[in-house]
Amino acid sequence: DAGVIQSPRHEVTEMGQEVTLRCKPISGHNSLFWYRQTMMRGLELLIYFNNNVPIDDSGMPEDRFSAKMPNASFSTLKIQPSEPRDSAVYFCASSLRAHSNQPQHFGDGTRLSIL
Amino acid sequence: QKEVEQNSGPLSVPEGAIASLNCTYSDRGSQSFFWYRQYSGKSPELIMSIYSNGDKEDGRFTAQLNKASQYVSLLIRDSQPSDSATYLCAVENTGNQFYFGTGTSLTVIP
Repeated sequence: DAGVIQSPRHEVTEMGQEVTLRCKPISGHNSLFWYRQTMMRGLELLIYFNNNVPIDDSGMPEDRFSAKMPNASFSTLKIQPSEPRDSAVYFCASSLRAHSNQPQHFGDGTRLSIL
Repeated sequence: QKEVEQNSGPLSVPEGAIASLNCTYSDRGSQSFFWYRQYSGKSPELIMSIYSNGDKEDGRFTAQLNKASQYVSLLIRDSQPSDSATYLCAVENTGNQFYFGTGTSLTVIP
C-alpha cells in the first residue's frame, strides 16, 4: 500500500519567495495533518483537516502560512513570503479518523531551507 | 504545562540491556497513546499503541500505561544498536487532538 506521499523532498529557495509543499494522504484516510519539526521546538502541529475541512489551524505561525485541501487526496501548505526562520522539515500525516484511537502515518517530509 | 512531556535524554544503554523511556501527559481523560520511532533524517514511524491500563507487548517492545498516574512508558528489551533513534510519545486527548512529546534520544552502545 502506498503511504503518505510528500513533494518535494528537498526545497532550497531565497527568502521572499513563495514555497508550496504538497501531500497525498493514504487512500481512505479522512484526516490530514501538517507538522513542522526543528531541533529547538520538536514536532509542532500546524493545521489539521477532517474530511477536507480545516479543523484547527491554531498552530499556523502567521498569515504567511496557508493550507488547503481541495479534495480527499491532495493538500498543500504554502508559505508566502518565505523567511529564513521557516527553515525546517515539514511533515504531512494522515489517519483514519472516522473512529478514535487511530494513529497517524507520516510521509517522508520536505526539508525546507530558506536562504 | 505541556500536554505531553518526555525526558529529552540522551539515554545511553549497552547492547543487550533494557531501555526504559518515559512520558507523562496532562489531560486525565486521554484515551489513546502511541510510541513513534524516528531515525535521524527520517520520518516518525509508529511502533506501539496502547489504550488500556497495563502492559502491551510486541516482540522486544513493551508499552506500559498507568492512567491514574498519567504515565506511559516504553521498554525495549535486548537493546540493539539499530534501536538507536529518537522515540516520540504521542497522546490523543479528550478533544481528539494529537500531541507529541519532544522525544527522547536513545543510543545503544555495542
